[in-house]
Amino acid sequence: EAGVTQFPSHSVIEKGQTVTLRCDPISGHDNLYWYRRVMGKEIKFLLHFVKESKQDESGMPNNRFLAERTGGTYSTLKVQPAELEDSGVYFCASSQDLRSGEQFFGPGTRLTVL
Amino acid sequence: GDSVTQMEGPVTLSEEAFLTINCTYTATGYPSLFWYVQYPGEGLQLLLKATKADDKGSNKGFEATYRKETTSFHLEKGSVQVSDSAVYFCALKTQGGSEKLVFGKGTKLTVNP
Repeated sequence: EAGVTQFPSHSVIEKGQTVTLRCDPISGHDNLYWYRRVMGKEIKFLLHFVKESKQDESGMPNNRFLAERTGGTYSTLKVQPAELEDSGVYFCASSQDLRSGEQFFGPGTRLTVL
Repeated sequence: GDSVTQMEGPVTLSEEAFLTINCTYTATGYPSLFWYVQYPGEGLQLLLKATKADDKGSNKGFEATYRKETTSFHLEKGSVQVSDSAVYFCALKTQGGSEKLVFGKGTKLTVNP
């Protein structure tokens, strides 16, 4: 069974540009999460989808970030316009069963904003 | 709000040494506690978990016990191997609340032969 995949693995953009990150969860997993780790800090929750609905978006830092999950399969996270402080590693995770608590993580996308 | 504090590294050990990585938490209610590991170039993997007080999670020779009285979940291994070199993250999930994980900053472990 394929794990959670993320694309791209690395992205280097200039301040003011737009970047779109993609996450493909494990097949059949209704729950999809986005997290971010800024250099030297904790991994922070961004948002949680259940199928195509946003269940919790309390961690989204501001309106420059837009997450979508059309059709309840893969998800995209767009940053527009990107700022220097957006640099970090963006992780996606998915889970099937909320009660078990286990979230399966992708390898992350390393975003560098210059 | 909920938070996790774990000892910051980096930690460097020789093979077969004893490992302890401290983790304490602050949370409302009774959270579930987790240790995740990230090997170089890979995503986070669940290493072990405990869902209630006094539970011991164990996997691959690693252990951690949920201590409610000290709000701790320290990770231990009796004899580390080079292949254990990775970044270890302590995390919690509040029961009955949001499904989000709250992480510590991570501890980088390097094991030398």
